[in-house]
Amino acid sequence: SQTIHQWPATLVQPVGSPLSLECTVEGTSNPNLYWYRQAAGRGLQLLFYSVGIGQISSEVPQNLSASRPQDRQFILSSKKLLLSDSGFYLCAWSVTGFGNTIYFGEGSWLTVV
Amino acid sequence: GQQLNQSPQSMFIQEGEDVSMNCTSSSIFNTWLWYKQDPGEGPVLLIALYKAGELTSNGRLTAQFGITRKDSFLNISASIPSDVGIYFCAGHKWTGNQFYFGTGTSLTVIP
Repeated sequence: SQTIHQWPATLVQPVGSPLSLECTVEGTSNPNLYWYRQAAGRGLQLLFYSVGIGQISSEVPQNLSASRPQDRQFILSSKKLLLSDSGFYLCAWSVTGFGNTIYFGEGSWLTVV
Repeated sequence: GQQLNQSPQSMFIQEGEDVSMNCTSSSIFNTWLWYKQDPGEGPVLLIALYKAGELTSNGRLTAQFGITRKDSFLNISASIPSDVGIYFCAGHKWTGNQFYFGTGTSLTVIP
């Protein structure tokens, strides 16, 4: 069966520090991978989307970047965090044409202080 | 990105009551999905719907894919305290191969 795991679960970082959130998927190949941010108002904002290694689509201009160094690994990064980067980040995966279902990781709480 | 219209925003019900929530859109979707999210955790898939008119159950949960393909509803029967959480709908379009999400329904069950 397929599983998705992201880490760390909780992170407190000072303003101006770097960020790295990692996500891995097991049990499937060539998944579509996503990074979302969820604000307190519950809406899910798509940040990045990837259909393959090295292929990243950015949905909103921001202080963050994403990379996909391996087929089932997706990384969310920042060189210098801002206070406004605080939030709940969710990694997710789907497989095109197979039921069009998206599955989420456990989430990562980021607090920038 | 585009949000789906999900209602109600919140519900406070007595244990044992039935619950109904729905999602609507001005666009046609080929898939409707329903999730439950507990505080501090990622959304967990409850029910997936792939055909217009499809009615699918998962225990006390029942969801339907609207005939017009522009809406879906989720019913929870005989609610229990562990049903507390936020429920999200999601839709998938082939155009752009993207998922769209509702803003969530917060459910509180009073014992």
